[in-house]
Amino acid sequence: RKEVEQDPGPFNVPEGATVAFNCTYSNSASQSFFWYRQDCRKEPKLLMSVYSSGNEDGRFTAQLNRASQYISLLIRDSKLSDSATYLCVVNTGSARQLTFGSGTQLTVLP
Amino acid sequence: ETGVTQSPTHLIKTRGQQVTLRCSSQSGHNTVSWYQQALGQGPQFIFQYYREEENGRGNFPPRFSGLQFPNYSSELNVNALELDDSALYLCASSGGTEETQYFGPGTRLLVL
Repeated sequence: RKEVEQDPGPFNVPEGATVAFNCTYSNSASQSFFWYRQDCRKEPKLLMSVYSSGNEDGRFTAQLNRASQYISLLIRDSKLSDSATYLCVVNTGSARQLTFGSGTQLTVLP
Repeated sequence: ETGVTQSPTHLIKTRGQQVTLRCSSQSGHNTVSWYQQALGQGPQFIFQYYREEENGRGNFPPRFSGLQFPNYSSELNVNALELDDSALYLCASSGGTEETQYFGPGTRLLVL
């Protein structure tokens, strides 16, 4: 079983749609949680950290359920520029080792 | 831009050769982590350097080795290259009170 599992997609949605990505992690000792965004042939870039209380940044909302070891990302009012691969990331241990899911590919269609 | 730079941007090698990749961390960051990203996969942690010492290692064989220099820049060395080593190699810097890792643009390695 992979340490971080995501639905690989692809998700193809029209502009303006709401889309949700889910992720599960296996290590209950995981300490920090993130969503990164990766554009084609580019490096991953931090989209947002994920907190137990849930957090929002504009059109993006992230949720963490530690009991279920589940992380989600909701994107509202999708824009063409949201097209990318979204990586669910977990930080386990003192070495700040990031464990990535395989990513979920999103294409927002005009 | 993150301020993390990597060189070279692209590299082609043949099986059995050795390669050295370089990373300059963001100013003020003392930790560099290296990741390997195969096509269609998420990045996989190789190892991390903190203040010139290895500070954690992923599931990679010993032919993957590294260094960190006093200015916190870092090298990744891979010996006896195999076809499966073809990937995007990413370095990420972090440090101080900030937990976030900032990635460089990566080096794309092709092993023929």
